Amino acid sequence: DAGVIQSPRHEVTEMGQEVTLRCKPISGHDYLFWYRQTMMRGLELLIYFNNNVPIDDSGMPEDRFSAKMPNASFSNLKIQPSEPRDSAVYFCASSTGQGGNTGELFFGEGSRLTVL
Amino acid sequence: DQQVKQNSPSLSVQEGRISILNCDYTNSMFDYFLWYKKYPAEGPTFLISISSIKDKNEDGRFTVFLNKSAKHLSLHIVPSQPGDSAVYFCAALFWNNNDMRFGAGTRLTVKP
Repeated sequence: DAGVIQSPRHEVTEMGQEVTLRCKPISGHDYLFWYRQTMMRGLELLIYFNNNVPIDDSGMPEDRFSAKMPNASFSNLKIQPSEPRDSAVYFCASSTGQGGNTGELFFGEGSRLTVL
Repeated sequence: DQQVKQNSPSLSVQEGRISILNCDYTNSMFDYFLWYKKYPAEGPTFLISISSIKDKNEDGRFTVFLNKSAKHLSLHIVPSQPGDSAVYFCAALFWNNNDMRFGAGTRLTVKP
């Protein structure tokens, strides 16, 4: 199994530009999560989906952030317009639903975003 | 509101000794607690978990202890090895919605 696949691995952009981060979850997983890692706050939950439906987006910092999951095998996180304080590593993770499992998340390798 | 807290940003331990990583949480309704390990330039990977109805879970060199009355859990690594050097994240989960909250992480360095 390929695991959770994220792209791009690295993105450097200028302030004001649109940024799109992409994620392909593990096949068969019905939960998908977007996290942001910063030095100060560690791993912050931004939004998560269940069966392609957004369940909780209360962690999305501002209206500049949006995320969609058009189908079970793809999600994207957009920042428009981007700002330097958005610089962080963004992780996508997926998991199976309930029914005996411990809710273990499988993370992608992350997308490191630098906004100049 | 940070519901899961790791108050020690870093920990340094000698090889062969015990490493103890601590985590505190504020919400008594969490159902599961997990530890993840993260190497540089990689995503976090699951290490060990414990249900809220237990107080100890052991897997090889790794043991997690849960003290519900104190809302505290800890990860013990015995003996510590240089390959254990990584950032360790504590996480807590609400079972009914799979909502997982992470602490800020503790960077463990095991010196040879």
